[in-house]
Amino acid sequence: NAGVMQNPRHLVRRRGQEARLRCSPMKGHSHVYWYRQLPEEGLKFMVYLQKENIIDESGMPKERFSAEFPKEGPSILRIQQVVRGDSAAYFCASSPTGLLSGANVLTFGAGSRLTVL
Amino acid sequence: GQSLEQPSEVTAVEGAIVQINCTYQTSGFYGLSWYQQHDGGAPTFLSYNGLDGLEETGRFSSFLSRSDSYGYLLLQELQMKDSASYFCALRADSWGKLQFGAGTQVVVTP
Repeated sequence: NAGVMQNPRHLVRRRGQEARLRCSPMKGHSHVYWYRQLPEEGLKFMVYLQKENIIDESGMPKERFSAEFPKEGPSILRIQQVVRGDSAAYFCASSPTGLLSGANVLTFGAGSRLTVL
Repeated sequence: GQSLEQPSEVTAVEGAIVQINCTYQTSGFYGLSWYQQHDGGAPTFLSYNGLDGLEETGRFSSFLSRSDSYGYLLLQELQMKDSASYFCALRADSWGKLQFGAGTQVVVTP
């Protein structure tokens, strides 16, 4: 049973280009979360999605960032017109369902490291 | 909003016991979890507390006091492989989203 798959693992972009990060959740998981991590810092929540629905995007920058989780295929985090400050590790996590009374254990992918030149 | 505070770094020797404290502020509370991350890799789930008290999982235990908005992770019989970052994570609403603390770097020395 494959875990959460993220690609690319490393991505280099020049300022002004677009970055697309992909995430395939664990089999049987229908909830996807994106987090951003700067060096030596914690994980900052960005967005929470179910299939074809954005549940919570309170952590997403208002401009240039978008996320989707289509009916078929992986979840995509898209960053348009990247700037140097976007350089970070972007982690995707999945869970079987978000509406739980107990622990909502997130399974994380290995992350995508974006470097903006 | 929510906020979580945890120490930035703790150093201990092999075999010792380390306690990582986490204090939080939140309007809603659905539980406190702990995650481990090695060298910027995938964070992995360690423990969860939804109710007050101690949860024990092998060498790791986690404690919660909701009245004090406080929890801790206890690492016993420290091993070199326990050198990693440890994050407390707050679930503040029923949808399951987690807010993470800044992390505590645990350095285990011989």
